[in-house]
Amino acid sequence: KNEVEQSPQNLTAQEGEFITINCSYSVGISALHWLQQHPGGGIVSLFMLSSGKKKHGRLIATINIQEKHSSLHITASHPRDSAVYICAAVYYGGSQGNLIFGKGTKLSVKP
Amino acid sequence: DVKVTQSSRYLVKRTGEKVFLECVQDMDHENMFWYRQDPGLGLRLIYFSYDVKMKEKGDIPEGYSVSREKKERFSLILESASTNQTSMYLCASSLTLGPPLGHFGDGTRLSIL
Repeated sequence: KNEVEQSPQNLTAQEGEFITINCSYSVGISALHWLQQHPGGGIVSLFMLSSGKKKHGRLIATINIQEKHSSLHITASHPRDSAVYICAAVYYGGSQGNLIFGKGTKLSVKP
Repeated sequence: DVKVTQSSRYLVKRTGEKVFLECVQDMDHENMFWYRQDPGLGLRLIYFSYDVKMKEKGDIPEGYSVSREKKERFSLILESASTNQTSMYLCASSLTLGPPLGHFGDGTRLSIL
C-alpha cells in the first residue's frame, strides 16, 4: 500500500526558530508537493519537487530520492507561518487522481 | 488572479437531505477535483473530472455523486446526507492531471445534524 507519513503531527515553536517538517513515502514517486493550509481552510501549493532542493524566501524544501524522504524547513519562523503543512506524493504513472496526502503537520509559532 | 470559488464556507444540513456543494473555477482548467479532509485522515479524493460530463471515482466515492455540465463548474452531491459526511470539503482545479498541483478553493465546512 502506498503511504505518506508526516512528522511531527503538531509543532509549537517560538518566533525566530528554525523549523523542520518531515515527510516519508513508501515507494517510488514522480513528484512530491508541499502545501500550506491556513486556518481559514484554503490550500496553497508551496513547492513541487522531483529531486534536490528548492528555496523560496524563508522556505526550503529538500528531497532525498534514495531515502524516500523530504523535508520542509522554515528559517526565522514568524507567527504568520502558523498553518497546517501537508506533503502529497504523486506515484509513478499516477495523476492528481492518484495523489497520496500526508495527514499534515499543524505548526503554531508563538510571538 | 486565478480563483476557485466554493459556494459556501459553512453549511448545516439535516440527515437525509440532498446536499449540493458547488465549485467554480475561472482558469479554463480541464480537471476538477473534490476532496474531503478529516482530522487524523488528511485529504482524500472523492471524485474528479477531466472534461465536461466526464468523471472518475476517487478513493472514497460512496455516498457521493458529481456533476460537470459546464467546464467551469463541478458540483458534489450528497444524495442522502448522513452524519459521517460531516467534514471539510475542498474543491481544486488544474490544467493537467499530473504535476503541478493546481489551485484549491477555500473549503466548505459541512455539518450534518
